[in-house]
Amino acid sequence: SAVISQKPSRDICQRGTSLTIQCQVDSQVTMMFWYRQQPGQSLTLIATANQGSEATYESGFVIDKFPISRPNLTFSTLTVSNMSPEDSSIYLCSDLGQYNEQFFGPGTRLTVL
Amino acid sequence: DAKTTQPPSMDCAEGRAANLPCNHSTISGNEYVYWYRQIHSQGPQYIIHGLKNNETNEMASLIITEDRKSSTLILPHATLRDTAVYYCIASYGKLTFGQGTILTVHP
Repeated sequence: SAVISQKPSRDICQRGTSLTIQCQVDSQVTMMFWYRQQPGQSLTLIATANQGSEATYESGFVIDKFPISRPNLTFSTLTVSNMSPEDSSIYLCSDLGQYNEQFFGPGTRLTVL
Repeated sequence: DAKTTQPPSMDCAEGRAANLPCNHSTISGNEYVYWYRQIHSQGPQYIIHGLKNNETNEMASLIITEDRKSSTLILPHATLRDTAVYYCIASYGKLTFGQGTILTVHP
């Protein structure tokens, strides 16, 4: 499985600002995914990011709020825009393995004040 | 994804086998059963997956019933480090995480 890293590991941000989270994979992967895990909750898929095409967003998530870039096969970013305290969550990226299993990064813990 | 049902919590003594059940009675023919776990504040960790046959790897064994409506994840010799939330997912592609089972391994 590929090794996935995320930056930053955690951040504290002010309301109304934006934060860009980076996800780096140590091998080329076709599909990457972004998830949100709100406090005490399970993971929710935000979007699927394929290289060379627009990200596909799940119901309840929109590009204006969570723009995603996928410039190459090893890298993706998720921006959390115009943040509010309700955006305080752990944000996780993952990639797809040979048998559709997913491998996750360590997560970015975001606190919005 | 087919809906899965798991007990909210389970306990296991260290060194004993932990058997975590999962019900996925509406699973379709092309959906795999995946198991992940999440140790507190870490990203989920892939454990094992299967379609029809029982599977075993270095982490665990997966037993799938013949009708594929349920499965059991077996950790053969649980350790304190296996304390985590365990998620069972029936899927082909996208993953839909439920609430999982909180497994607590005690000395």
